[in-house]
Amino acid sequence: SQTIHQWPATLVQPVGSPLSLECTVEGTSNPNLYWYRQAAGRGLQLLFYSVGIGQISSEVPQNLSASRPQDRQFILSSKKLLLSDSGFYLCAWSVGSGRGNTIYFGEGSWLTVV
Amino acid sequence: AQSVTQPDIHITVSEGASLELRCNYSYGATPYLFWYVQSPGQGLQLLLKYFSGDTLVQGIKGFEAEFKRSQSSFNLRKPSVHWSDAAEYFCAVGSGSARQLTFGSGTQLTVLP
Repeated sequence: SQTIHQWPATLVQPVGSPLSLECTVEGTSNPNLYWYRQAAGRGLQLLFYSVGIGQISSEVPQNLSASRPQDRQFILSSKKLLLSDSGFYLCAWSVGSGRGNTIYFGEGSWLTVV
Repeated sequence: AQSVTQPDIHITVSEGASLELRCNYSYGATPYLFWYVQSPGQGLQLLLKYFSGDTLVQGIKGFEAEFKRSQSSFNLRKPSVHWSDAAEYFCAVGSGSARQLTFGSGTQLTVLP
């Protein structure tokens, strides 16, 4: 069966520091990968998605970036964090190219920027 | 562009009572619709999904949802709520070529003993 791992689960970072969140999917190949952010009291915002290695689409302009160095690995990064980057970050995956594909989520990472 | 509206930000029900969470969507073609549940500090878990066919969809944990094209709605229901159902619920519509989901803003469910 497929599993998704996301880490770290929680982190507190000072303003201006770098960020790296990592996500890996097991049990499937060539997944679509996603990074969502959920700010306090708000819904889910799609940040990035990837349909293959090195293929990244950005949905929201910001100081975050994403990379996909391997088929089942997706990394969310920032060179300098802002206070507004605080939130709950969710990695997710799906397979296939149709719009009816189910998206499965990881357990999330809490980021607090202080 | 597609959109999803969940008009109720917060709903409170008593344990054992029935539940209906509302979801309205806007999408130009036949929608693919989903309901997810999120417990505090956790990821999202898929409850059910509608792709085609029978407009009444059964999901996990005793939930069901009914697709009504004429009303552009996909409301989630449960006949008898349990305390463990307290969570946030998200409705979503499958987007086009981007293989994405567009989410509603969520409904927070509180269950009273």
